[in-house]
Amino acid sequence: AQSVTQLGSHVSVSEGALVLLRCNYSSSVPPYLFWYVQYPNQGLQLLLKYTTGATLVKGINGFEAEFKKSETSFHLTKPSAHMSDAAEYFCALGGGGSQGNLIFGKGTKLSVKP
Amino acid sequence: KAGVTQTPRYLIKTRGQQVTLSCSPISGHRSVSWYQQTPGQGLQFLFEYFSETQRNKGNFPGRFSGRQFSNSRSEMNVSTLELGDSALYLCASSLVQGLTTDTQYFGPGTRLTVL
Repeated sequence: AQSVTQLGSHVSVSEGALVLLRCNYSSSVPPYLFWYVQYPNQGLQLLLKYTTGATLVKGINGFEAEFKKSETSFHLTKPSAHMSDAAEYFCALGGGGSQGNLIFGKGTKLSVKP
Repeated sequence: KAGVTQTPRYLIKTRGQQVTLSCSPISGHRSVSWYQQTPGQGLQFLFEYFSETQRNKGNFPGRFSGRQFSNSRSEMNVSTLELGDSALYLCASSLVQGLTTDTQYFGPGTRLTVL
């Protein structure tokens, strides 16, 4: 069965510090992986996605993620946190085959301290 | 290009009632998916529509249903509402169906509260 695990429901960093949000997946087919961000009372916004090819994926707002097949991971990083990065982040796995649905992790709420 | 729109943004209903939520996809997108978001269960897939046909369904009871119109707009209906149906319902659209490489663009959601 396909699944996504996000380690840490809450992560707190200081402004200017490295942001690291962890995501591990389980998939019986080649995975397609996504990171979404959700600000309060809003929908989900795509940060970046991995389908095939380059394993280091760059997204919006300075975020990037590296696909590591051997570790079944797709961790999200940003070198320097901004206050505006405070939000909830979701890692998602494409359903596989003919299924277009996304399988989401439980989310990680990022807090940024001044 | 306008994004995904959902109406209404907020709804309050009582147990036993039914509710209909609406979603208008991005122009040109033909696939619409629905997700339920709750604090306890997180984001869960409800169903996916393409060309007016349900193509994929999540693990939800039959009280949850949907449809898609010829202009790709979609509605979802929940009958006999239960307290546990209180959630944020998110709609997402994508260009094609069943292609997991295709990006799903989400609307702002409809916040349903069941009293």
